[in-house]
Amino acid sequence: ELKVEQNPLFLSMQEGKNYTIYCNYSTTSDRLYWYRQDPGKSLESLFVLLSNGAVKQEGRLMASLDTKARLSTLHITAAVHDLSATYFCAVDSNRDDKIIFGKGTRLHILP
Amino acid sequence: GAGVSQSPSNKVTEKGKDVELRCDPISGHTALYWYRQSLGQGLEFLIYFQGNSAPDKSGLPSDRFSAERTGGSVSTLTIQRTQQEDSAVYLCASSFRLYGYTFGSGTRLTVV
Repeated sequence: ELKVEQNPLFLSMQEGKNYTIYCNYSTTSDRLYWYRQDPGKSLESLFVLLSNGAVKQEGRLMASLDTKARLSTLHITAAVHDLSATYFCAVDSNRDDKIIFGKGTRLHILP
Repeated sequence: GAGVSQSPSNKVTEKGKDVELRCDPISGHTALYWYRQSLGQGLEFLIYFQGNSAPDKSGLPSDRFSAERTGGSVSTLTIQRTQQEDSAVYLCASSFRLYGYTFGSGTRLTVV
């Protein structure tokens, strides 16, 4: 059974700092997704990572995928308050195409 | 429409009543998912439809929950004899393989 673990689950950081959110998963997969959720809102797709070594960047966010280590990272550079949200990673099981979500990382950026 | 549409956006129901939640996916998307999100929690997988294949119902929490997808498009999630623990936001997502999943705005269900 595919399990997806994120850490940390909660992160409070100051503006201007860098930090990384980690997403580990338990079985083989070639597809990993990062989503952002603002309070009371639905999920917004950030990145789709489809192969080992994939790296994607959008503004201050950069996501990478290491399928051998079953690890993805979401790196935040010089954080700004607008990035405060909950970030979810989700993994698509190669076996049955069902996507399983991590518990989410609640990011709070202090001005 | 351009996105995944869910209705109603909010539903308050009395314990023991049945409810139906609707999801209208993006046209042409073959896969459709239902998830449940309790307050401050992650997403719990409920059910998955892919094309004409039999749905994966492995996440449905009890036999009070059922879902169908008519004509490969619109899906309805039905909860019978609702309980207070069913209160949550129910999210629907659709996808067309490898391009990620687009989520609807969700239905907030409150059972009183």
